[in-house]
Order: sequence, then structure tokens, then C-alpha cells
Amino acid sequence: KAGVTQTPRYLIKTRGQQVTLSCSPISGHRSVSWYQQTPGQGLQFLFEYFSETQRNKGNFPGRFSGRQFSNSRSEMNVSTLELGDSALYLCASSPFPGQDSEQFFGPGTRLTVL
Amino acid sequence: GENVEQHPSTLSVQEGDSAVIKCTYSDSASNYFPWYKQELGKGPQLIIDIRSNVGEKKDQRIAVTLNKTAKHFSLHITETQPEDSAVYFCAASRNSGGSNYKLTFGKGTLLTVNP
Repeated sequence: KAGVTQTPRYLIKTRGQQVTLSCSPISGHRSVSWYQQTPGQGLQFLFEYFSETQRNKGNFPGRFSGRQFSNSRSEMNVSTLELGDSALYLCASSPFPGQDSEQFFGPGTRLTVL
Repeated sequence: GENVEQHPSTLSVQEGDSAVIKCTYSDSASNYFPWYKQELGKGPQLIIDIRSNVGEKKDQRIAVTLNKTAKHFSLHITETQPEDSAVYFCAASRNSGGSNYKLTFGKGTLLTVNP
């Protein structure tokens, strides 16, 4: 079974631009979570989607948004990019939300904002 | 909200030695504590987890212990091998019936196993 796929793997943008990252979960998984990983803050939860609905959101500004499609694929968008948005963005999928469902992480998208 | 502290931030051991990574959490309602291993260029991978109704869990060379009173849990790796070199993250969450579920992670420990 294929793992979680994230595209693109690397991205370079400039301040003020916007970016869209994509995540394809493991086949059959309906829950997708997004995390931001930086050296200073570690792994921080962005949001979680299940059945096309955002179920939970972390403490990030409204510039960060996401959505999930009927095939469970998910996208996240960051508008008006800032230098501090440079990070590894990780997507994790699980069959359903909650502790009883192991999250499987993708390799991440490395975003660099210049 | 939950806060997870992880120590040490870096750990270097000789092959064959044991390694211990410690985490503390702040939310007494947290009841699920997974540990992840992240290798270079990859996403984190779950290696072991423990729930608050048990004090210890072991899987071959790795074990996790939990002290609910002290709000403290630890990862123990015995007979370390060079392939154990990676960044290890602890995390904590509370069970809210699937909704409002999120993992709070520690900041990671870079483990280096020297041959």
C-alpha cells in the first residue's frame, strides 16, 4: 500500500506570495492532519480534516487554511507569506480521527520564504 | 492547553549502550503518549505508544514508562545500534471522543549512536 504523498517536496517563495501544498493520504484513510515543523518550535498542529470537514484547528493565524476533497486528498494554503513561514509542512493520515487511529506521516514539503 | 517538555535535546551514546529520553506534560487529562522517530528526509514514524491505564510497555529493544502522578514519561532504547540514530519526539493527547483531538509534541531529541 502506498504511503502518504506530499507535493511538491520543495518550494521556494518570496514574501507576500501565497502557496498551496497538497497531501494524498493512504488509500482508505479519511482523516488528514497538517503540522508545521521548525527548529525552534518543533512540530505544531495546524488543522485536521475528516470527511471534508475541519474538525480541529491549532493556534495559527487565518493566513493558514486548508480543505479536504471527497477523495480525502487535502490541500493547505498559506497566503501573504512571511519569512517565519519557512518550515517543513507535514501531512499525516489515519483511517479516522482520534487516539485509536495511528497517524502515518508523509515526507513533508520544505517551504523556504525569501 | 497541553505543554510537553522533552529532554535532552541531543544525546550521543556508544553502540550497545542504552539511551533514555524523558518528557513531562502539563495536562492531567492527557491519556495517550506516543513516541515518534524521524530519520533525515522523512516524516515521523510511530515506534511505540502508551496509554494512561498502564505504567510500562515494551517492544523488543524499546520500552516506554509512564508516571501519571508526576506527569512524566520516558523512552528507553537498549543495545543501541547506528540505525537508531534519528530525532525522537514524544507527544501527548487527551481522548475527546475523536473530536478536538490533537497531538502536542515535545521539541525532539537528536540521538546519535556512535559505532
